[in-house]
Amino acid sequence: AQSVTQLGSHVSVSEGALVLLRCNYSSSVPPYLFWYVQYPNQGLQLLLKYTTGATLVKGINGFEAEFKKSETSFHLTKPSAHMSDAAEYFCAVSVRGYGNKLVFGAGTILRVKS
Amino acid sequence: DGGITQSPKYLFRKEGQNVTLSCEQNLNHDAMYWYRQDPGQGLRLIYYSQIVNDFQKGDIAEGYSVSREKKESFPLTVTSAQKNPTAFYLCASNSGPQTSSYEQYFGPGTRLTVT
Repeated sequence: AQSVTQLGSHVSVSEGALVLLRCNYSSSVPPYLFWYVQYPNQGLQLLLKYTTGATLVKGINGFEAEFKKSETSFHLTKPSAHMSDAAEYFCAVSVRGYGNKLVFGAGTILRVKS
Repeated sequence: DGGITQSPKYLFRKEGQNVTLSCEQNLNHDAMYWYRQDPGQGLRLIYYSQIVNDFQKGDIAEGYSVSREKKESFPLTVTSAQKNPTAFYLCASNSGPQTSSYEQYFGPGTRLTVT
């Protein structure tokens, strides 16, 4: 079965500092991987995705993530945090041929300090 | 604008009452999903439908029911059998199992409070 582990339920960074949110997945077949962002009391918005090809993927709002098969990881980074980045972030994995379902991690709440 | 609408945004019910949450999409997507979100637990799949008139149970289907009579609509009923119904409910859609697209698009959610 597929699973996702997000290390750290809360991450706090200073404005302008590097953002690193960790995601490890478990999958028996090559996965598709996603990062979503959620602002309070709103739905989820897709930040970026990895399907095939280049392992470093760029998304919206300056975020990027790198798929590392050997480490089964898909960590999300942003060079310089902005106050508007404060939100909850979810990593998700999908497996081809599995009804297009997604399995989500528990989420990481990012706090940005001024 | 294409997207997913959920109504209402906030819903309050008394214990023992059934309640139906609305989800409508105009993205022409075949697949639709219902998730429940609780703090610290991520999103858990309740039901999903890949095509009209067909749906499958997700991981936490007990106490919930759905229908898929139209491609655009996938309402969720929270029944009185659901022991802890207070949560944030999210509806999502996807272009469907015949495509290679796996990302899901989400509605704004409905926060249900049962007292």
